[in-house]
Amino acid sequence: QKEVEQNSGPLSVPEGAIASLNCTYSDRGSQSFFWYRQYSGKSPELIMSIYSNGDKEDGRFTAQLNKASQYVSLLIRDSQPSDSATYLCALNAGGTSYGKLTFGQGTILTVHP
Amino acid sequence: NAGVTQTPKFQVLKTGQSMTLQCAQDMNHNSMYWYRQDPGMGLRLIYYSASEGTTDKGEVPNGYNVSRLNKREFSLRLESAAPSQTSVYFCATKPTGSYNEQFFGPGTRLTVL
Repeated sequence: QKEVEQNSGPLSVPEGAIASLNCTYSDRGSQSFFWYRQYSGKSPELIMSIYSNGDKEDGRFTAQLNKASQYVSLLIRDSQPSDSATYLCALNAGGTSYGKLTFGQGTILTVHP
Repeated sequence: NAGVTQTPKFQVLKTGQSMTLQCAQDMNHNSMYWYRQDPGMGLRLIYYSASEGTTDKGEVPNGYNVSRLNKREFSLRLESAAPSQTSVYFCATKPTGSYNEQFFGPGTRLTVL
């Protein structure tokens, strides 16, 4: 089993819809979780971080974390064509991991007008 | 304030040639990381440096060496390039603290023929 697994894509949603991106992980000791967005040919940029169970909202983005079930998700409301990108889930095991991140393989999202 | 810079942006090597990828940051972060990104595989950690003067292996260190020259600079060296090292290489930095995000440089696209 991969350490971090994202739902296979590509994911295509119409403009204005909710896009749902999911990520499961195997290391129960993971402490912090990040969602990065990566446009084609560009570097990853952080859009959300979450550390505690529950929901965290930032504008159109909501991250959800359930440590018992070992999953983290990202919801994008009112999706826009500019949201079309690859979304990377990453986690940090904490402790002596020195901030090392383990990434999922990414999910390609396309928002069509 | 340039953030994280990487040089070169693009490079083509022949098998067996050597080269050094440079990374510099002006964010005063302690930790620095080198990742490679291959299609469909997310980002994989090559080497990291938790602080100036220390380096350690990540998930895929074979064929690479690193130098943490000072707090600002972290270089990645390919001693004898192989076609399997064709990839996009990203440098990232992070301030001290498990819950802090990593900031990525623009990347170096390397092709080994």
